[in-house]
Amino acid sequence: QKEVEQNSGPLSVPEGAIASLNCTYSDRGSQSFFWYRQYSGKSPELIMSIYSNGDKEDGRFTAQLNKASQYVSLLIRDSQPSDSATYLCAVNRYGNEKLTFGTGTRLTIIP
Amino acid sequence: DAGVIQSPRHEVTEMGQEVTLRCKPISGHNSLFWYRQTMMRGLELLIYFNNNVPIDDSGMPEDRFSAKMPNASFSTLKIQPSEPRDSAVYFCASSPGALSGNTIYFGEGSWLTVV
Repeated sequence: QKEVEQNSGPLSVPEGAIASLNCTYSDRGSQSFFWYRQYSGKSPELIMSIYSNGDKEDGRFTAQLNKASQYVSLLIRDSQPSDSATYLCAVNRYGNEKLTFGTGTRLTIIP
Repeated sequence: DAGVIQSPRHEVTEMGQEVTLRCKPISGHNSLFWYRQTMMRGLELLIYFNNNVPIDDSGMPEDRFSAKMPNASFSTLKIQPSEPRDSAVYFCASSPGALSGNTIYFGEGSWLTVV
């Protein structure tokens, strides 16, 4: 079992709709959870971080964390073509700075 | 503030040659990470340093790979001898540590092709 699992996609969503990206992790000691966006040929950039159960909203983005189910998700509202990218889920363990990444979900927003 | 700076941005080299990748972390960040990204394996952590000391090098694939951090503002990743399977994007990243929730910030990457 991979430490961090994501559906590789591609996930296609019409412009203006909600894109839902999912991630599961295997280590119950995981403490911090991150979503990074990576455009083709570019480096990953941080979108959201979440540390406690529940929802965290930032603009059009909402991160959701459920530690009991070992599940973290990212919702993108009012999807725009500029949201087309690969989204990487990352987690780290309490007391450990090492971030473990999933393989990413490729999202395409269809105009 | 300047971000993480990596060089070279692109390198094409012949099998057997030595490759040295360089990284300057964000000033004030005390942790530095080297990641490798390929289509097949995604982003893999090779090694990370805290306060210039290697903490976890379990991801270093084999003895051909070595990394150093002689001071807080510079790190190198060396591959000797290089092989075609080393072709990948190598990212350096830095973090201010736990106070930032362990958020890490990536450089632009070094695109390595070994022919």
